[in-house]
Amino acid sequence: AQSVTQLDSQVPVFEEAPVELRCNYSSSVSVYLFWYVQYPNQGLQLLLKYLSGSTLVESINGFEAEFNKSQTSFHLRKPSVHISDTAEYFCAVSERRGYQKVTFGIGTKLQVIP
Amino acid sequence: SAVISQKPSRDICQRGTSLTIQCQVDSQVTMMFWYRQQPGQSLTLIATANQGSEATYESGFVIDKFPISRPNLTFSTLTVSNMSPEDSSIYLCSVETGASHEQYFGPGTRLTVT
Repeated sequence: AQSVTQLDSQVPVFEEAPVELRCNYSSSVSVYLFWYVQYPNQGLQLLLKYLSGSTLVESINGFEAEFNKSQTSFHLRKPSVHISDTAEYFCAVSERRGYQKVTFGIGTKLQVIP
Repeated sequence: SAVISQKPSRDICQRGTSLTIQCQVDSQVTMMFWYRQQPGQSLTLIATANQGSEATYESGFVIDKFPISRPNLTFSTLTVSNMSPEDSSIYLCSVETGASHEQYFGPGTRLTVT
């Protein structure tokens, strides 16, 4: 079985400062990894994903995440946050073998302070 | 990608009643999912709904409480039956596209049971 741990439930950060949202996963097999974002009063949107190949993946709005197999991590980073990045971020994992359901972490609320 | 709509967007219901939530997708998809997102918690998968077969329920969820219909490849309904205040939650529909378990979510239905 797979599991996801998001170590921080809330992360306050000043505007234009860097941020890292941590995500660790547990699985006995190879995985796909995802970050989803949920803006206030909206549904979840896929932010970025790791399927294979380069371990560093990027989103169109400046976020990036790096797959680290040895540390079983998929931390999300942004060098300079904006007010509009205030949202809840969910890390998710699914195993590659056949069909396996997606397991979500508990979420991290990013609060960008002006 | 896929565009998903849900109805209703929110509702306030009395205990003991039932509510049916509709999920409409703008393209044909094989796999649809229903999640519950309770305050301060992550997404919990209720069931997987494939067209032409019975829904598959996760541990802790039963068909009598959460009957699901999947009449075609673009539509599904979830009914929350005999509601209690503990059923107050956001209910999310999602679909999976491609082989990488990437999911797209509807905007959610915010249910309050009084």
